[in-house]
Amino acid sequence: GAGVSQSPSNKVTEKGKDVELRCDPISGHTALYWYRQRLGQGLEFLIYFQGNSAPDKSGLPSDRFSAERTGESVSTLTIQRTQQEDSAVYLCASSLAGSTSTDTQYFGPGTRLTVL
Amino acid sequence: AQSVTQLGSHVSVSEGALVLLRCNYSSSVPPYLFWYVQYPNQGLQLLLKYTSAATLVKGINGFEAEFKKSETSFHLTKPSAHMSDAAEYFCAVISPGTASKLTFGTGTRLQVTL
Repeated sequence: GAGVSQSPSNKVTEKGKDVELRCDPISGHTALYWYRQRLGQGLEFLIYFQGNSAPDKSGLPSDRFSAERTGESVSTLTIQRTQQEDSAVYLCASSLAGSTSTDTQYFGPGTRLTVL
Repeated sequence: AQSVTQLGSHVSVSEGALVLLRCNYSSSVPPYLFWYVQYPNQGLQLLLKYTSAATLVKGINGFEAEFKKSETSFHLTKPSAHMSDAAEYFCAVISPGTASKLTFGTGTRLQVTL
């Protein structure tokens, strides 16, 4: 079956512009996660959705970052007034359940964001 | 807060040699532990996970890892490296009773030479 898909695969933007990154989870997966991978660093958790609510937003680095999810489907991560330090690969993952589950998180291929 | 340490950002082994990638966690409560692999230009793929059942966990592609509570470790091993194992490997944890967000180590890049 189809895996997690993300679009665009690459995004180059100018400092100060807004960007939207899209994630399509695996059908039927209720949990959805966003992570960020900056060059030379591990993956950082950004936000977690259970259905369309976000019980854990603790990883969002600033109020320039926001995310929403429509039902148990598509999620959009928005970064306003981008800064050069926002340059990273943004990864989305989904799993069947979430909450305290240890269901496997399936990752998408990521969106590489470059802020000039 | 829990954390994960991966010793060695780069590891190089010869084809056919033992692969050992180290992972230590810091948590007062034994967490759930995961190893993910990222092949060049591909997304993260789960290799194996420990969820408080058997301490020796077998994964895909001949990899296994052993949970050692006394050492707070979850090292990844493979008896014989293959060229196709060249990739970046990430250890990650989830604390029981929390939302299932993964906390990742910084990764170890495995190089396999002839």
